[in-house]
Order: sequence, then C-alpha cells, then structure tokens
Amino acid sequence: EPEVTQTPSHQVTQMGQEVILRCVPISNHLYFYWYRQILGQKVEFLVSFYNNEISEKSEIFDDQFSVERPDGSNFTLKIRSTKLEDSAMYFCASRKVLGDTDTQYFGPGTRLTVL
Amino acid sequence: TQLLEQSPQFLSIQEGENLTVYCNSSSVFSSLQWYRQEPGEGPVLLVTVVTGGEVKKLKRLTFQFGDARKDSSLHITAAQPGDTGLYLCAGDAGSARQLTFGSGTQLTVLP
Repeated sequence: EPEVTQTPSHQVTQMGQEVILRCVPISNHLYFYWYRQILGQKVEFLVSFYNNEISEKSEIFDDQFSVERPDGSNFTLKIRSTKLEDSAMYFCASRKVLGDTDTQYFGPGTRLTVL
Repeated sequence: TQLLEQSPQFLSIQEGENLTVYCNSSSVFSSLQWYRQEPGEGPVLLVTVVTGGEVKKLKRLTFQFGDARKDSSLHITAAQPGDTGLYLCAGDAGSARQLTFGSGTQLTVLP
C-alpha cells in the first residue's frame, strides 16, 4: 500500500541554523500538507500546498518557514533560522483530491530538536 | 477558529470492557477522521465519516458522526490490550480541507 515517507526521522540542529525536512507524498496525490506536534500537545496545521503554490497557511507559518516541491516527487519544509520553540514532530500529509470521502494520509514524521 | 474537544483525555480500563470516546465541536465539519497514533509515529487513519448520522464499523470499533456534523464518537467493544494507544479525532474544514485535531484520548487496556 502506498505510503507517505519522510526524511530524516530525527534532525538535531543548533538554534539559528537552517533545516530542510523532506517528504515524498503518495504518488497520485495532489494536495500536500505540513503539520507539527509539540511534545504533549495537539497536532497543528502549518500549511497546505496545491498546484505548486500555498493554498492556506496558519499563523504559525511565518516568514521563517517555506515550502517547495522541487521535483515531481519531493515536498520540502524549510525553516530558515530555527528557534528553540521549533522543536517538535513535523508531519507531512497528502491527499488525492478534496472530495468529502477523501482524506489525508500522514507520514511517520521528523523529530526536530533545536539546541 | 474551529476547535475539537475530545473526552476523556485519559482512559484506563480492563480487558473485555467497553468504552466510548467523544469528540465535540460547535463548528460543522465537511467530514471527520479518526486516527490512532503510537509514540513517535504519525497518525494512522482508522475511518472517515462524512454524512450526518453515519455509523461505520471496523471490527470491534464503531464510529458515529452526529446528525449536525459537529460531533462524533468512537465506541470500542470488548477492548483488548492491543487497542492501547492515542486516539485522535480530526475535522476537515477550510478551503484546503486542512485538519483540525482534537487533543486526543490516551487509552490503556490492562490485561
């Protein structure tokens, strides 16, 4: 069964450094999402992406964040200058279409630790 | 801002007991998903409910979507230790159908 994959599984970085989190969505899906989950808290929506542009973004997704689909398979989340509070699990999700019966499938996540 | 309230937050029961988890909101959702999440992993989809009043069964798990599409419940019959995990409800809204998650119910089934 097709799956969303994410790399790396764990990323440790120093505050102020740039990180890029990578995702390979399910191949015939058209909508892509990033969520994050701070330890012990809810899963929170960051951004959605369709047709090579951002569809919606939350208040969390400020100028430090950017997303890109550099080729036909990868979907990346870049954090330009990481802060301590960026430490969280970051989940990528993809969805085939926006029909009511379609839903999002999540990757296994990248644990980002900012020191 | 759409919010989903899940209850209870924690639930510890004996093997063989039944339980119900609730997911409530003041907002209407296009659909509602239930996920299960293991520590350090991503949410795994259990079911999607779309129509008000809809009931879906997945073995011993029964999911119901409220008539007004504002609330949902998950009922587990004869719980087993393998059911232990974090259960999340998530409502589907917004133009990009991003998900709004509940805070989760941590279920522990004791043998």
